[in-house]
Amino acid sequence: DGGITQSPKYLFRKEGQNVTLSCEQNLNHDAMYWYRQDPGQGLRLIYYSQIVNDFQKGDIAEGYSVSREKKESFPLTVTSAQKNPTAFYLCASSIGRGTQTRYSNQPQHFGDGTRLSIL
Amino acid sequence: DQQVKQNSPSLSVQEGRISILNCDYTNSMFDYFLWYKKYPAEGPTFLISISSIKDKNEDGRFTVFLNKSAKHLSLHIVPSQPGDSAVYFCAASSTLSYGKLTFGQGTILTVHP
Repeated sequence: DGGITQSPKYLFRKEGQNVTLSCEQNLNHDAMYWYRQDPGQGLRLIYYSQIVNDFQKGDIAEGYSVSREKKESFPLTVTSAQKNPTAFYLCASSIGRGTQTRYSNQPQHFGDGTRLSIL
Repeated sequence: DQQVKQNSPSLSVQEGRISILNCDYTNSMFDYFLWYKKYPAEGPTFLISISSIKDKNEDGRFTVFLNKSAKHLSLHIVPSQPGDSAVYFCAASSTLSYGKLTFGQGTILTVHP
């Protein structure tokens, strides 16, 4: 079955530690995204990547870092610089540009999320 | 600056009746709009979308309406079922922004048997 896998489902971090959240997709999608959801709020974009070895900051990138070394993987590191890391983190992917010469709109598909808490 | 707003935090509907969820946006560059359904501790599931060149898109029990002049979209669910109870998010994007989605805050829909 094709899909997006996020691991772990629950993660705990001590003060001052960096933690890395995993996101893997086997949909052959070019574009991948990381969002954060806080209680009672919508999803906010942290980082996104339209193609391997390239990524851009979203609306709330401070305290986070990403890498995109492989098409199927887009890990997110929550660094100690992120002052309020407790949240539900969601990874998504979409076809992106694919084989087309210009971008066209299409839906993003999401993983089941990782809940990060501070000890 | 919230570019996508869902002004109703919650909606309660009787089974079999129509559910209408509303969403307003401010950015004129948005040209693609989506609705997602989300259960607690799960990722959002894509429901239906609409391009700005259309004013209506239908998929089974779900219909999305877009009013560009009012910068308003709505999701109609007919008939509503108890399994539809979830949080519904509207989202918007622009071709120029390469698929970056801007989400509303969500509306909790409860369908009573």
